[in-house]
Amino acid sequence: EAQVTQNPRYLITVTGKKLTVTCSQNMNHEYMSWYRQDPGLGLRQIYYSMNVEVTDKGDVPEGYKVSRKEKRNFPLILESPSPNQTSLYFCASSRGNGETQYFGPGTRLLVL
Amino acid sequence: GQSLEQPSEVTAVEGAIVQINCTYQTSGFYGLSWYQQHDGGAPTFLSYNALDGLEETGRFSSFLSRSDSYGYLLLQELQMKDSASYFCAASSSGNKLTFGGGTRVLVKP
Repeated sequence: EAQVTQNPRYLITVTGKKLTVTCSQNMNHEYMSWYRQDPGLGLRQIYYSMNVEVTDKGDVPEGYKVSRKEKRNFPLILESPSPNQTSLYFCASSRGNGETQYFGPGTRLLVL
Repeated sequence: GQSLEQPSEVTAVEGAIVQINCTYQTSGFYGLSWYQQHDGGAPTFLSYNALDGLEETGRFSSFLSRSDSYGYLLLQELQMKDSASYFCAASSSGNKLTFGGGTRVLVKP
């Protein structure tokens, strides 16, 4: 089954404790992205990647890091989480710009 | 910067037609997508317009006018299951995708 998986689905952590949210897709897509969704603000792109070792900043990259060492994986790293990073995070993949974006199930993060 | 404007909420009855407008200001614009998201779920792709005109997919249609920086999603023969949030999203260079704030559609019996 074609899918995008994210782990964990729910996470409660404390300020400053590094965390990683994993994202994996099995569709051999070149494009992958991370978004955060906050009430009233819609989805905002954090980082995106057009291929292995090629990443670029989206609209809200501050406080986040990503890596793309393999085509299927695109982890999101919060080196020092802060409460304003409490949000719902989605990973997505697609074949190319304008192509259908397939979203993962989301990761709900609470930073205390 | 990039910005997209769409109404925050629309209410309609079953069987009705709803049009959700989206205006955008995006540099390096490629095309306009529409996504549906039910409460607690992930966004799912509905349609994509790269060229001017109307794209029809079953009960849903999407329109784009590049000269007016405007598009809309048309939901016909509304069903209760269409109650959800709908987002327009503008693609630009690379895989940059900017979403509007979303329109919550409430379908009443």
